[in-house]
Amino acid sequence: KQEVTQIPAALSVPEGENLVLNCSFTDSAIYNLQWFRQDPGKGLTSLLLIQSSQREQTSGRLNASLDKSSGRSTLYIAASQPGDSATYLCAVTNNAGNMLTFGGGTRLMVKP
Amino acid sequence: NAGVTQTPKFQVLKTGQSMTLQCAQDMNHNSMYWYRQDPGMGLRLIYYSASEGTTDKGEVPNGYNVSRLNKREFSLRLESAAPSQTSVYFCASRATGGDIQYFGAGTRLSVL
Repeated sequence: KQEVTQIPAALSVPEGENLVLNCSFTDSAIYNLQWFRQDPGKGLTSLLLIQSSQREQTSGRLNASLDKSSGRSTLYIAASQPGDSATYLCAVTNNAGNMLTFGGGTRLMVKP
Repeated sequence: NAGVTQTPKFQVLKTGQSMTLQCAQDMNHNSMYWYRQDPGMGLRLIYYSASEGTTDKGEVPNGYNVSRLNKREFSLRLESAAPSQTSVYFCASRATGGDIQYFGAGTRLSVL
């Protein structure tokens, strides 16, 4: 059974810092890996998707990497802003491409 | 654009009561999903529907039933609610061949 773990569970940083969120998964037979953002009381928004054959994806100040063989992914946020405060969830898609397994999330607070 | 719409947004039930959570998507997606999210945990898949007329169990199906009424709508029913079903419920949809799931805003359910 796939298990996804995110460390740390919570993180508080001052504005402007670069930061790294970590995600690990136990079964490397994945179709892709996604990073989501969840604002309080809201649904999830997909930020970045990395196919199993890819090593990284970038969108603006966000960069996600994938090391499938070691079962790890990182989300790098450059020059953090208070608007980045949210919970970030990592999820892997099974090989059939039809089911997501989520990590517990990292709750990020960026202080002005 | 409406995307994925869930109703109701909030609900309080007494133990043993029944209710149906509604989900509708207007993106012509074939696949639809129901998840639950408990505090400090990621989302866990309850049921999914790969296409109209088909449903399959996810990780935590006990105590729930689903109906894929048509391509747009996928409902989740609690026949006899229990306090352990207090959670936030999310519906999502995905296009066939697409990688990204699109989420509704969630239904916050409390069972007393």
